[in-house]
Amino acid sequence: DIVMTQTPLSLSVTPGQPASISCKSSQSLLHSDGKTYLYWYLQKPGQSPQLLIYEVSNRFSGVPDRFSGSGSGTDFTLKISRVEAEDVGVYYCMQSIQMWTFGQGTKVDIK
Amino acid sequence: QVQLVESGGGVVQPGRSLKLTCAASGFTFSYYGMHWVRQAPGKGLEWVAVIWNDGSDKYYADSVKGRFTISRDNSKNMLYLQMNSLRAEDTAVYFCTSGLKFSYWGQGTLVTVSS
Repeated sequence: DIVMTQTPLSLSVTPGQPASISCKSSQSLLHSDGKTYLYWYLQKPGQSPQLLIYEVSNRFSGVPDRFSGSGSGTDFTLKISRVEAEDVGVYYCMQSIQMWTFGQGTKVDIK
Repeated sequence: QVQLVESGGGVVQPGRSLKLTCAASGFTFSYYGMHWVRQAPGKGLEWVAVIWNDGSDKYYADSVKGRFTISRDNSKNMLYLQMNSLRAEDTAVYFCTSGLKFSYWGQGTLVTVSS
């Protein structure tokens, strides 16, 4: 089974400042079709998860451009260029190259 | 707009059964694989099961294999999760979600397994 490890597990950020979350997989997420099956989701307090980024770096429809994803192979990063109050919640990475596995989640709050 | 609405949750005794339903609208349901994902109280997300768009393939997490069955009715735009032999550790909010990217999620339905 592929294990997804996120760091840090919690993050307190001043509004307007950047934030970064790391996600490492126990196996490469690069498929033979050339795609890398790594996703990022945000679960805001009391809400369902919502898709932010798919296939490492593609923003889903309606996602602000302050969110960006990068990485390759087994190491990935979600960056928020300038954190806003509405960005609080728990961020999850997920792989889908071999079944589906989520990271433990990173809780982001505002200082 | 895309809507996924789960129902069927509740309180059930260990060993009993429960069937969850997810009603889909706003997209061509029969084009997309569908998943169930659960979240135990205060915990992270756990993938549970997937069914291909035409129902031809189904896969399950090891934690539910042999006890849960995923199914769908494309004529009714409905997704189901039959849960048998329920255990305390199955207590969670169950979400349905759509497609390869888990693009859209329902609001979830709470299942509590307790005597």
